[in-house]
Formats: sequence, structure tokens, C-alpha cells
Amino acid sequence: AQSVTQLDSQVPVFEEAPVELRCNYSSSVSVYLFWYVQYPNQGLQLLLKYLSGSTLVKGINGFEAEFNKSQTSFHLRKPSVHISDTAEYFCAVSGPYNQGGKLIFGQGTELSVKP
Amino acid sequence: GAGVSQSPSNKVTEKGKDVELRCDPISGHTALYWYRQRLGQGLEFLIYFQGNSAPDKSGLPSDRFSAERTGESVSTLTIQRTQQEDSAVYLCASSLYGIPEAFFGQGTRLTVV
Repeated sequence: AQSVTQLDSQVPVFEEAPVELRCNYSSSVSVYLFWYVQYPNQGLQLLLKYLSGSTLVKGINGFEAEFNKSQTSFHLRKPSVHISDTAEYFCAVSGPYNQGGKLIFGQGTELSVKP
Repeated sequence: GAGVSQSPSNKVTEKGKDVELRCDPISGHTALYWYRQRLGQGLEFLIYFQGNSAPDKSGLPSDRFSAERTGESVSTLTIQRTQQEDSAVYLCASSLYGIPEAFFGQGTRLTVV
């Protein structure tokens, strides 16, 4: 079974500052990893995903994440945030389809960007 | 439709009543998920359908909750004898087999009064 831990429930940051949202996972099998964003009163939108290959994954809106297998982490980063990045961010993990494939989410990190 | 469609978008019901929530996945998507999101909290897995395989019901919180899916199309989540703690946004998502990228609907906001 897989599980996800997002280490920070809230991250306040000033506009144009860098940000890192931390995510650790546990799994006994190979995994796929995802970051989703939920803007206020909206549905979830995929930011980026790691399926295989390069461990540095680039997504939309200037976000990127690095898969670190030895540390079982998949931290999300952005070098310079905007007010519009204020949202809830969810890390998620799934196993291979032939071993279940269901998508499990962390508790979320609320990113608050202040001017 | 192009995306995952959920109905109704909002539902207010009295405690003790039964409710049905509907999800129309993206055409051709074999996998379908239901999640519950309580106010200010993360996504709680409820149930997962994958093609013709037996569904993974491990996340259903009680026997008042059930879900069905007809083939690879519409799914219905039913909550019987609703309680106030069932108040939440219920999210549905779908994905293609072998491509683990889930697309989410806008959710159904359920309020039990």
C-alpha cells in the first residue's frame, strides 16, 4: 500500500520569493507521483507528474519537482512565486495498474503568497 | 463532454435521507475514482473502479456508502441515512488504463442539515 505525507500544512511566502512544498511517500512497489493544485472554489488541476525517466520534472506555471528515490521524496519548487499561485497543493502517489493503481493523496499544503 | 461531469453541483439534504451523486467520466477512461474532501482537509479516497475488475472499496467509511459503475461509463455514489458528518465535497476523477493521470470533475457539495 502507498501513503503520502505533506510535511507542511501551510506555507506563507512573499511574492517573488522561492518556495518549496515538501512531499514524502512510502511504497513497497514502484510508483508514479503527482502534484495537483486546487484554486479557491475550483476543482483539482494537474501541475506535473513523474512516471519514469528524468527525476527532474517540469510542470505548468513554472513549477518543477524532483523525484528522489533514496529519500522517497517528491518536493515541489518554484523559483519565484506570484500572488496568483495562492492555492492548495496536493501531492499524490499511485502504484502500477497491474498492482492496484489507485491514487492516494496527501493532506495538502496551503500556499499563501503575500505582496 | 470533454471533461468529467458531476451532478448535482450542490445538494442540501435532511439528516436521515438518502442521496445519490452522479459522475460521468471522460469517454474511454477505464478507471474511475471517488474522493471525499471535508472543509479544509485533504482528499479522502473512497472507491476505485478499473475496467471490469472488482472495485477497490477499501476507503468507504461505513456500510451507508456504496457505489456502482455500469461498464466503463456513469458511476453513482449513494449515501444512505445521511449524517451531518457526511457534509463534504465529493469529487470524481477518471483516467485511461495505463496512463495514471486523473482528471477531476468540479465536485458535488453535499450539505446535510
